[in-house]
Parts: sequence; structure tokens; C-alpha cells
Amino acid sequence: EVLLVESGGGLVQPGGSLRLSCEGSGFIFNTYWMSWVRQAPGKRLEWVAAMKQGGTEYYYADSVKGRFTIFRDNAKASLYLQMSDLRGEDTSIYYCASLSGIHDYWGQGTLVTVSA
Amino acid sequence: QAVVTQEPSLTVSPGGTVTLTCGSSTGTVTSGHYPYWFQQKPGQVPRALIYDTITKYPWTPARFSGSLLGDKAALTLSGAQPEDEADYYCLLYYSGPRVFGGGTRLTVL
Repeated sequence: EVLLVESGGGLVQPGGSLRLSCEGSGFIFNTYWMSWVRQAPGKRLEWVAAMKQGGTEYYYADSVKGRFTIFRDNAKASLYLQMSDLRGEDTSIYYCASLSGIHDYWGQGTLVTVSA
Repeated sequence: QAVVTQEPSLTVSPGGTVTLTCGSSTGTVTSGHYPYWFQQKPGQVPRALIYDTITKYPWTPARFSGSLLGDKAALTLSGAQPEDEADYYCLLYYSGPRVFGGGTRLTVL
């Protein structure tokens, strides 16, 4: 069974930092591009960032560029999102997802709330 | 960053046919954007229905199909069922970055 399990969400003050983690199992993690996708309460899906299998190529949405960093540890089958300078508009459920053609895997998400 | 546009809402009668579209601010949507379509029901994680424009997943009901229609990607539902009421999102690739559309809320009524 394929599993993606996110962790690290919580309440953080504006301007603060948080690191999200996503651990994969049941599939060959290091053969997939992996992405972070977020969804604010009651709002649309927003793609946040993606990283290539070996970590040499990565992309960000303009809304997070310069504030968020995606990285991965294939030995641990894990994907990470380091978030800094957090703003109210970053409040969302953050999903880890493969978005890799036939292999559509999503985690259950972790909630990040940015509030004073 | 590109903007991907979808109809905010559509309504279809049970058994009817409806087409959802997905456009790009950069111009014509092509197979090179590898259009995806996702379905999301309230309180659930999104689930992909279509990838690479037309390719279905094993779990995709036969009544859903993907295509290119004019300058957009399209998702057609033929023979709508009450359980198809959901939000639908397209996702386009832009040679690296990906962008979701704003979503279409489909009502079956």
C-alpha cells in the first residue's frame, strides 16, 4: 500500500518559520518527482513546489519563491518544505503529492495556520 | 507565472453531458502542458481522473473523458451521476512549474 504521511504543521506567528515533512512508503520514492500542494480553507488547490528525483531540479510558485525551500532525502524516502517569513495567506492544508502520471499519490495533508 | 482558467461553476442534469474547460493565460493549451484533471469532494483529498490530456486511471469512471478542445483542455462527463457532484481542478505543466486552475464546482441537479 502506498502511503504519504505529512507532519510538521501547526500554529505559527506571522514572520515565523516551520518545516513540513512527508514520508513515503510502498513505492520507489527516489524515482518520482514530488510536489507540495496547498489548499486554504474553502479555497482552490495551489501548487507550491516540486523537486526532481535526485534533487538537482526544482521549481516554486511565485507566491512562495524566496520564502520556501523544498528538499528531499531519498535515503529516508522523505520530502520536506522549509517555510520562512510566513504570512496569513500561507494558512492552508499542505499536501505532499507525486503528480507523476499514472502514479497519483497524495498524503492526507497537514494544516498550517499563520496567526498572531 | 501563468494563470489557468476554469469555469467557476456548472450545472448538469442527471444523465446529462457537460464539458469543463481549462485555459492558459500563455495561449493555447497543448499536450505539452500534460493536462491533468482532479476531482475533489468535500472533506476529501483530491483524486486524479485524467493525465496527459486523455489518459484515464484504473479508477476513472468510463463516463469521464479528456481532450483538447480549441485552445483549451477539456473534461467531458457523459451521463452525469449524483456522485459526480464535486469540485474539479485542472493542472498544467509549464516546463517545470505547475499551475492549478481555479476549479469548477459541478452541481448535478
